[in-house]
Amino acid sequence: AQSVTQLGSHVSVSEGALVLLRCNYSSSVPPYLFWYVQYPNQGLQLLLKYTSAATLVKGINGFEAEFKKSETSFHLTKPSAHMSDAAEYFCAVTTTGNQFYFGTGTSLTVIP
Amino acid sequence: EPEVTQTPSHQVTQMGQEVILRCVPISNHLYFYWYRQILGQKVEFLVSFYNNEISEKSEIFDDQFSVERPDGSNFTLKIRSTKLEDSAMYFCASTLAGARTDTQYFGPGTRLTVL
Repeated sequence: AQSVTQLGSHVSVSEGALVLLRCNYSSSVPPYLFWYVQYPNQGLQLLLKYTSAATLVKGINGFEAEFKKSETSFHLTKPSAHMSDAAEYFCAVTTTGNQFYFGTGTSLTVIP
Repeated sequence: EPEVTQTPSHQVTQMGQEVILRCVPISNHLYFYWYRQILGQKVEFLVSFYNNEISEKSEIFDDQFSVERPDGSNFTLKIRSTKLEDSAMYFCASTLAGARTDTQYFGPGTRLTVL
């Protein structure tokens, strides 16, 4: 079975500061990992995905994530937070592509 | 850019009533999914559907739930007799080929409120 754990249900950063959202996964087979963002009253939008190619994955809006097998982690980062980054972020894992397992989400607040 | 659409955006129903949530996946996609998100909780997988059959379903997807592709464009989720605990946001998603490298494209969701 697969699962992801997102540490920190709420993260606050100042505008311009580093964003770090944590995700750890559990999987008995090589996982495929995803980060999605959800803006208020909207659906989930893909930020980036890891599919066993490069371990450092770059996504939209300046976000990137690094797959670290030794740490079973896939943390999401952005060097400089923008007000428009305020949203809910979900990490997800799949091994079959048929069923995704989502974390509980991290709500990002950006302080002006 | 193609997108998944869902109707209605908000559905209010009485406990025990049947509801049908509708989704139009991206036109050339072959795999379809339903997820739900109870307020404040994680997004949970309900069911995947391919070639007019259920591929996988979670323990949440019991006999009260059913899915159907009634025509070439719509993909529906039916809840036969709604319970209070069915109140949630329901998301439809689709992928091109169901491969694990495929991106799941999500619709904006239907908020179901059961009174």
